[in-house]
This record gives sequence, C-alpha cells and structure tokens, in this order.
Amino acid sequence: SQTIHQWPATLVQPVGSPLSLECTVEGTSNPNLYWYRQAAGRGLQLLFYSVGIGQISSEVPQNLSASRPQDRQFILSSKKLLLSDSGFYLCAWRKQLLSSGANVLTFGAGSRLTVL
Amino acid sequence: SQQGEEDPQALSIQEGENATMNCSYKTSINNLQWYRQNSGRGLVHLILIRSNEREKHSGRLRVTLDTSKKSSSLLITASRAADTASYFCATSGGWGKFQFGAGTQVVVTP
Repeated sequence: SQTIHQWPATLVQPVGSPLSLECTVEGTSNPNLYWYRQAAGRGLQLLFYSVGIGQISSEVPQNLSASRPQDRQFILSSKKLLLSDSGFYLCAWRKQLLSSGANVLTFGAGSRLTVL
Repeated sequence: SQQGEEDPQALSIQEGENATMNCSYKTSINNLQWYRQNSGRGLVHLILIRSNEREKHSGRLRVTLDTSKKSSSLLITASRAADTASYFCATSGGWGKFQFGAGTQVVVTP
C-alpha cells in the first residue's frame, strides 16, 4: 500500500537554530512531492514542489530550502530559523485516482514547528 | 495568493442539519477538489469534480461547480459531530501545482 511519513511530529526550536524535516513515501516510485506550510487557522501555502531527484521548484522566497536526495525522500531545511517560520508543515504526494485518472494530493500527518 | 477562497470562514451547526460552504477561484481549472482536515492532522481528499461536470455526489457529500461564476459549493447533509473539521477547496493548475483556499471551519454540536 502507498503511505507517506513525516517526522518529527512536533518540534520546538530556538531562533537561529537549524531545521530538518523529513518526508518519505512508500509504495510508489517517482512521486511528485510537495511541501506546504499552514499558519494557525489559515490555508496552505505551497513552499516547494519536486518532480524527481534533485529537481526542486521553489514557490515562495523563504528562509527555507528543500532537497530530494532519493526518489521517495523529500527534506525541508533551514540554516537559521526565524520566528516567522513557526507553523504546521505538511508533506504531500500526487496520486492518480483509479476511478477518474485525475490527480489528488495525499498528505502526511504534518510537523508542527514552534520557533521561540 | 490563494487560488480558492472559501466562504464562510466558520460555520456552527447542530447535528442533523446541513452544512454548506462555498469556494471561489480565479483562473481556469481542470478540476476542483475538496479536502477535510481534522484538528492538528493532515488533509484528506474528499471529492473531486471535473470542469465539465456540474454536480457530483459521494455519500452525504454533494459538490456543485459553476465554471461561469468560477465557484463551487460543498454540501454535507445530515451533519454529525464527527464532521467537525476544516474544509478546503483546491484547484489543480499547470505543472501539477495545487492551490488551496483558507478553509471553512465547521463545528457540529450534538
């Protein structure tokens, strides 16, 4: 079966510290992967999008970066966190519905980051 | 900017009532999708409607799409306490990007 994992689930970090959030997908190959951020009570902001190893599209200039070292691994990083980096980070992969052939997103459980 | 915008931002109803929320978008779409998010969790895909469809049903969910008005609505019939969640519309555009609205927070009280 196809599953998506994110970790850590919760993270409290001081300002200026580094960040690494990891996302892995199982049961599929060459997935399109996404990182979204959700501020408290808000919608989702697309941060990064990847169609393959080493191929990253950055949607919004950020204090963040993303890497895809392996086919089913997507990593979100920062060298120095800012207070404004706090939020709920969601990884997703694009899945094709068997019924219609249309693409939908399957999300991980999320990583809640608090920067103090 | 967000492609989809949901209305209302929040909705409070009692069990058994219907919940209706709307979504407006700005550009041409291939399809429009609705997702649900329980508090502190990831989003889960609920239903998809293609641009050439006007209405679609799935269980207690009914989705309509009006491409001339660039709007969609999600109706949850006979709401249950377990329907308490945030609901988001999303549009799929070029390059496989998905744009989400700000969501409607629905609270169903017993």
